Amino acid sequence: AQSVTQLGSHVSVSEGALVLLRCNYSSSVPPYLFWYVQYPNQGLQLLLKYTTGATLVKGINGFEAEFKKSETSFHLTKPSAHMSDAAEYFCAVMREGYQKVTFGTGTKLQVIP
Amino acid sequence: SAVISQKPSRDICQRGTSLTIQCQVDSQVTMMFWYRQQPGQSLTLIATANQGSEATYESGFVIDKFPISRPNLTFSTLTVSNMSPEDSSIYLCSVHDRGRTDTQYFGPGTRLTVL
Repeated sequence: AQSVTQLGSHVSVSEGALVLLRCNYSSSVPPYLFWYVQYPNQGLQLLLKYTTGATLVKGINGFEAEFKKSETSFHLTKPSAHMSDAAEYFCAVMREGYQKVTFGTGTKLQVIP
Repeated sequence: SAVISQKPSRDICQRGTSLTIQCQVDSQVTMMFWYRQQPGQSLTLIATANQGSEATYESGFVIDKFPISRPNLTFSTLTVSNMSPEDSSIYLCSVHDRGRTDTQYFGPGTRLTVL
């Protein structure tokens, strides 16, 4: 079984400040991990993913995430928040070879001018 | 990445009626998925649609309420039957690009409001 926990359903940051969205996973086998973003009234867009190899993965719009096996974490960061980053972010886990994805409950990011 | 379109993008329906949502992909895919996102909540998988066979439903979802068709490798439909206000949600279609990126991609969603 696999699961995802996102700490904080709402996160507020000032424009230009560091963005940190937390995600912890549970998986009995090495997981594939994803971050998706959902802008208001839109579908989900893939930000980045980790499968194997380098543990620091870079995605679109300046976001990156680091896979830490010892901490079972896959936190999403961005050095400097922009107003356009305001959206809901979903962490997700998938077992290699299986196509079902399990989503976290989501974190709404608010960026304050 | 796969390009996915959905129709309609939104609809307002009356209680007791049914709505069929279409999902079109720009490439052939083996598995397509239908998700529901209730207001303020995360995504819940409704069913997996395989071409040439019956859809596989997750716990809590039944074929009579959410019949699915998958006539070919680029198209699927989800019908929400005998709707009630509790069915008001965003319904998303997704596909898994197993060959190239091993990643799941999503359509823009259908926003359904049931009065």
